[in-house]
Amino acid sequence: DIVLTQSPGTLSLSPGERATLSCRASQSVDSKYLTWYQQKPGQAPRLLIYGASSRPTGIPDRFSGSGSGTDFTLTINTLEPEDFAVYYCHHYVIAPFTFGPGTKVEIK
Amino acid sequence: EVQLLESGGGLVQPGGSLRLSCAASGFTFNNYAMNWVRQAPGKGLEWVSTISGTGDSRYYADSVKGRFTISRDKSKNTVSLQMNSLRTEDTAIYYCAQTNESISPVDYFYYGLDVWGQGTSVTVSS
Repeated sequence: DIVLTQSPGTLSLSPGERATLSCRASQSVDSKYLTWYQQKPGQAPRLLIYGASSRPTGIPDRFSGSGSGTDFTLTINTLEPEDFAVYYCHHYVIAPFTFGPGTKVEIK
Repeated sequence: EVQLLESGGGLVQPGGSLRLSCAASGFTFNNYAMNWVRQAPGKGLEWVSTISGTGDSRYYADSVKGRFTISRDKSKNTVSLQMNSLRTEDTAIYYCAQTNESISPVDYFYYGLDVWGQGTSVTVSS
């Protein structure tokens, strides 16, 4: 099974700062199948990034993804108040299609 | 508008059964795989099960294998999750999510789980 590990567990930042979130896989993941989701309290998750680096329509360009192999990164440039949430990486390579444990981005 | 609407959640005793349904609208249902993802109180997301667009392929997390069954009804545009032998650790909000994908005879593109329902709550307790 592919295990996804995310770091840090919690990121305390101020609005306007940059957030860098890491997702590491226990084995190489085809970047085509690596996605990132944002979840706010009481809401369903929202797709932010697919194919490791592509943004769906409607996702602001302050969100960017990068990486390959076993190491992937989600960067949020210039944090807006609405960006404080929990972020999950996910793979769709081979079942089980696991999620990472999440990184909480909180207001400092 | 693409929409997913879950139903069927509730309170059930350990060892009991429950059937969740997810009604899809606004897209060609048969073209896409569908998923169930759950979230226990205060915890992260856990992938539960996926069924292919044709219904021929089904995948399960080890934690539910042998107890849960995913299925889809093309005539009703619904995907269901039959949950048997429920345990207290199955308590969670269960989300239905669409796999956005493009399948052709020569290639496959994956665009993520881009449509989610609002979730339905399952509580397993005596």
